Amino acid sequence: DAKTTQPPSMDCAEGRAANLPCNHSTISGNEYVYWYRQIHSQGPQYIIHGLKNNETNEMASLIITEDRKSSTLILPHATLRDTAVYYCIVRQGAQKLVFGQGTRLTINP
Amino acid sequence: GAGVSQSPRYKVTKRGQDVTLRCDPISSHATLYWYQQALGQGPEFLTYFNYEAQPDKSGLPSDRFSAERPEGSISTLTIQRTEQRDSAMYRCASSLSRHDTGELFFGEGSRLTVL
Repeated sequence: DAKTTQPPSMDCAEGRAANLPCNHSTISGNEYVYWYRQIHSQGPQYIIHGLKNNETNEMASLIITEDRKSSTLILPHATLRDTAVYYCIVRQGAQKLVFGQGTRLTINP
Repeated sequence: GAGVSQSPRYKVTKRGQDVTLRCDPISSHATLYWYQQALGQGPEFLTYFNYEAQPDKSGLPSDRFSAERPEGSISTLTIQRTEQRDSAMYRCASSLSRHDTGELFFGEGSRLTVL
């Protein structure tokens, strides 16, 4: 049972920043926020995860609000290859990942 | 190996037949997961292994589904007496250890079609 809420779909222009929101109002103190994406029929791909601090890697940035009830995944310069379904997941320790419906992000030329 | 390998990539079978799917995880990874993904849906958890132990099989939809990992490396998922509703993509993932909070690495999946 997913503990997150995401918009079902979003559009973004190529070259612009894509900001994907996620609500996780019932998150507990030891649960991490993870983001995965799934491009077409490929297997899900890890993007980033964090606990309370903002995180950045070569793919994206993760901004977590101070109360940890929501977060935003930022793809700074979206390309057509970033078109995918993006999943926001809360996970305690090394428990199983519980995927919801995700956000279908379409990058438009 | 370099990544998680699954076979067969595609399997078409008739209703009532048994099917076995195979997953070869990344060689250093202790934990292995099985997921089922219906078309247009997110992956649904089936079961996982920590080495050869199977601590959680809560997601297996019925007793027709079973999974093994006898030597703590390669795993198989067997579906007995297949039904049309079993048609889905079956995905395997592995991670470094049960205590690792890092990423799961997914394979390309095995697409099962039950006629």
